[in-house]
Amino acid sequence: GAGVSQSPRYKVAKRGQDVALRCDPISGHVSLFWYQQALGQGPEFLTYFQNEAQLDKSGLPSDRFFAERPEGSVSTLKIQRTQQEDSAVYLCASSLLSYRNYEQYFGPGTRLTVT
Amino acid sequence: QQQVKQSPQSLIVQKGGIPIINCAYENTAFDYFPWYQQFPGKGPALLIAIRPDVSEKKEGRFTISFNKSAKQFSLHIMDSQPGDSATYFCAALVGGSARQLTFGSGTQLTVLP
Repeated sequence: GAGVSQSPRYKVAKRGQDVALRCDPISGHVSLFWYQQALGQGPEFLTYFQNEAQLDKSGLPSDRFFAERPEGSVSTLKIQRTQQEDSAVYLCASSLLSYRNYEQYFGPGTRLTVT
Repeated sequence: QQQVKQSPQSLIVQKGGIPIINCAYENTAFDYFPWYQQFPGKGPALLIAIRPDVSEKKEGRFTISFNKSAKQFSLHIMDSQPGDSATYFCAALVGGSARQLTFGSGTQLTVLP
């Protein structure tokens, strides 16, 4: 079946612009995660959804970052008033929600460059 | 606070060699330890994972060794091939309602032909 898809794959934004990044999880996956990966680093957790409920947003770096998943499927990560430090790859992952099944499957990511 | 420390940062081996990548963790509540492989321009792909109630797990050419008392785990790649050249990340997860992964900083592996 289809894996996690993300769009756009690449986004260039001028400092101060708003951007929206989309994630389509694997069909049937209840859990959805957003991670931020800086160049040469491991991914860092941003936020977690279970269906449409955002259960954890402790990793969002500032109030300029906002994520939603209104119908429990597709999710959008929005960054307002982008700054140069926001330049990174934004990864989405999805997972089944079952007892002790923690396997997360990642999409290809969106590379955001803020100029 | 870096909760999962990974080493080495980079590793070069000859084809057929057995690269070993090590990770150490601090949080004893971690309950699941996966390894991911990432190629340039791609997302991380799950390779193999282990839980703390076993000391070793093998899948194909990939083996995880786990030492709960030392809070360390490692990835061994048997009979390495040039196609294994990639960045490898260890990770850990607490489980229960907290399902986010905490990643190590990555190891860039190069397998020479």
